[in-house]
Amino acid sequence: GQNIDQPTEMTATEGAIVQINCTYQTSGFNGLFWYQQHAGEAPTFLSYNVLDGLEEKGRFSSFLSRSKGYSYLLLKELQMKDSASYLCAVRTLSGNTPLVFGKGTRLSVIA
Amino acid sequence: NAGVTQTPKFRVLKTGQSMTLLCAQDMNHEYMYWYRQDPGMGLRLIHYSVGEGTTAKGEVPDGYNVSRLKKQNFLLGLESAAPSQTSVYFCASSSGLAGGQETQYFGPGTRLLVL
Repeated sequence: GQNIDQPTEMTATEGAIVQINCTYQTSGFNGLFWYQQHAGEAPTFLSYNVLDGLEEKGRFSSFLSRSKGYSYLLLKELQMKDSASYLCAVRTLSGNTPLVFGKGTRLSVIA
Repeated sequence: NAGVTQTPKFRVLKTGQSMTLLCAQDMNHEYMYWYRQDPGMGLRLIHYSVGEGTTAKGEVPDGYNVSRLKKQNFLLGLESAAPSQTSVYFCASSSGLAGGQETQYFGPGTRLLVL
């Protein structure tokens, strides 16, 4: 089976840095995605990792360690608008195959 | 360019009623997907399609049927709705290009309540 684990909820302070972890145990691996989903809205793409290491995109960075089955999303200089759910998803097969999603982490940014 | 659109946005059904959810995309994408999202369960794949005229089962296909008669449209049908099908339904599409970093684009969702 496929198993993707993320913390259910996190709280962080405006202006701070927060790290959201994702661990996965899947039958295969061909890339890991992070999505952001504001309450009542659709998920939107944030980042993609397929090789080990850090991918930086503005205030957001994503890290992958394939040997450990581990990824994290790092959000810097938190803003109130970053309050949302963050979804980790794994593509388990080669080609354009469906993603397997974790249950998401709800982040609350407080003043 | 509207991206991915879903119809209706919200619907209330009685147990046993049927309905069809429509998803449309204007990005000429080959792949389309239907997910349901429930509190504490995350996004779960119901059915998907890798091209016009094709469909495949996902993780939770029971109680649902789909059709992809036109490339731009993907229909999700509930023949006899049950309260367990109360959920938010998201449609998504992707281009189908090989190579990995090919993300999915999501529609705004349909909120379905089955009484």
